[in-house]
Amino acid sequence: AQKVTQAQTEISVVEKEDVTLDCVYETRDTTYYLFWYKQPPSGELVFLIRRNSFDEQNEISGRYSWNFQKSTSSFNFTITASQVVDSAVYFCALSPIIQGAQKLVFGQGTRLTINP
Amino acid sequence: DTGVSQDPRHKITKRGQNVTFRCDPISEHNRLYWYRQTLGQGPEFLTYFQNEAQLEKSRLLSDRFSAERPKGSFSTLEIQRTEQGDSAMYLCASSLDVGGRAFFGQGTRLTVV
Repeated sequence: AQKVTQAQTEISVVEKEDVTLDCVYETRDTTYYLFWYKQPPSGELVFLIRRNSFDEQNEISGRYSWNFQKSTSSFNFTITASQVVDSAVYFCALSPIIQGAQKLVFGQGTRLTINP
Repeated sequence: DTGVSQDPRHKITKRGQNVTFRCDPISEHNRLYWYRQTLGQGPEFLTYFQNEAQLEKSRLLSDRFSAERPKGSFSTLEIQRTEQGDSAMYLCASSLDVGGRAFFGQGTRLTVV
């Protein structure tokens, strides 16, 4: 079975602080994708990143960075110099890389509040 | 706007009534997914189509739920004899081929009173 755990239910920080959202996953698949999505109050899930399980290089995109460690089954997300617009619920997700499906298994989400 | 669109955005219905939601995926995407999200939880997979074929259904999809995707274009999700436990956000997503990034619609929020 596949499972994604986001242990932090809510995080609140002051603007400009750095914040890391944790994600731990479980899967028996040898190849899989990992994702992060952002869900603002409007409800639409906004894609942030997808990583292949065989590519452990960390990635940076502007103020966002992701740390993928296969040894600890973690895929953490860091926002540097946070801004109020970063306030949202963030979901980590997992899907197998198999023919015919890209069924996403989501964590419970972390509600991030950035205070001015 | 060429994203995934869902209709209606909000639906309030009385317990026992039938409801139908529509999803229009991105036109060239052959894969379409339905997810359900309850308050404070992450989305949960319901069902998946590749073109017009429904290839997988979650055990969450009881006999009261039915989904179709005629002609491999838009999809409908019908819930018969709604129950209060059906109250949730129903999200549709589409993607192009295996491993394609899934694009989500804004969802239909169902409230059963």
